[in-house]
Amino acid sequence: QITLKESGPTLVKPTQTLTLTCTFSGFSLSTSGVGVGWIRQPPGKALEWLALIYWNDDKRYSPSLKSRLTITKDTSKNQVVLTMTNMDPVDTATYYCAHKVAGTIAFDIWGQGTMVTVSS
Amino acid sequence: QSALTQPASVSGSPGQSITISCTGTSSDVGGYNYVSWYQQHPGKAPKLMIYDVSNRPSGVSNRFSGSKSGNTASLTISGLQAEDEADYYCSSYTSSSPWVFGGGTKLTVL
Repeated sequence: QITLKESGPTLVKPTQTLTLTCTFSGFSLSTSGVGVGWIRQPPGKALEWLALIYWNDDKRYSPSLKSRLTITKDTSKNQVVLTMTNMDPVDTATYYCAHKVAGTIAFDIWGQGTMVTVSS
Repeated sequence: QSALTQPASVSGSPGQSITISCTGTSSDVGGYNYVSWYQQHPGKAPKLMIYDVSNRPSGVSNRFSGSKSGNTASLTISGLQAEDEADYYCSSYTSSSPWVFGGGTKLTVL
């Protein structure tokens, strides 16, 4: 059974750097084709894809946020970490991590999400 | 503004069928067979309902089906049930992103 869980601060100040950790179980990020992605959702708004890391350490970023994002993995700890610099109130959202199915782009299992508020 | 266009809302009565459209371009929906659909109930994480245009994950009801024509993908729900009331999002591979979501559609079961 695949599970993912996001953790990190619930409140950050403008200009600060946000660091979120996705801890997963039930799969290995060393398996060919597998990936873990980050997706966010501002309150009452649509989903927005942020970043994804593949089993082979290949990384993809949203073009509009690429300069602010870094995604890394620790295979031994079954964790994926997302950092976002220069946080702004418009970055207030629920942040989800999700498992990408090998062979397709779909995210089949999602974490419960973690709400991050950006405010001074 | 989302790259994929969905209607803001659709509605239907129990037992009826509804279709939600997802319109993109030849650089995303029209160019690849990598369209997914997600269901999201209030306060919950999204759930994968359809992947690769028309495939259902194990455990998803066969009342849900997907299709694509040109630059528009569609999600059809037949035999509408009260539990289907939720927000629905499409997603596609895109040559530039490579993931993009639609703006979401609120389904109301009357």
